[in-house]
Amino acid sequence: AAGVIQSPRHLIKEKRETATLKCYPIPRHDTVYWYQQGPGQDPQFLISFYEKMQSDKGSIPDRFSAQQFSDYHSELNMSSLELGDSALYFCASSLDTDTQYFGPGTRLTVL
Amino acid sequence: EDQVTQSPEALRLQEGESSSLNCSYTVSGLRGLFWYRQDPGKGPEFLFTLYSAGEEKEKERLKATLTKKESFLHITAPKPEDSATYLCAVQAGGYGQNFVFGPGTRLSVLP
Repeated sequence: AAGVIQSPRHLIKEKRETATLKCYPIPRHDTVYWYQQGPGQDPQFLISFYEKMQSDKGSIPDRFSAQQFSDYHSELNMSSLELGDSALYFCASSLDTDTQYFGPGTRLTVL
Repeated sequence: EDQVTQSPEALRLQEGESSSLNCSYTVSGLRGLFWYRQDPGKGPEFLFTLYSAGEEKEKERLKATLTKKESFLHITAPKPEDSATYLCAVQAGGYGQNFVFGPGTRLSVLP
């Protein structure tokens, strides 16, 4: 069965640079969620989209933005990167805001 | 505010030694409770969704139960490959609601 695809899987950036993470949800899923997971921590919700509209917002910094496109893929844009942004970033998708299926994650390292 | 706690924080079992993990929650109108398994550096892998008190679900050596205030994940005769972090998440009522994750239980099963 098709799963959530995330790219890139690993990303290394310098402080103050920008990064773009991509997420391709499971086919026919209409909701996409973004989470940030620091070392030894549980996933923290950032933002979600339903049918290309922002549906919920969590602890997403103002330096970050996201959107969902017409083909339902989503991108998380991160600017003015800080050392503390180093983390695993997960995308999840669901149908009708039900069970969320997670992607493999993007490991972002900010140097 | 929605909260999820999990206990124990870490659990070490001998192969074949059954045990239970606890997830306690306070949420305004539970829409669903979800169990995930997460291996280091990987995305959470979906295990179960529970919607109402009294509900039970089973999969191989795992069984999840739900009451009005907590959920248990029972592991029967675990094997070393069951070693992982088990995450519990709740979804509150309402449209497009995100998940609130607990801190997880790190399970180690020794051969």
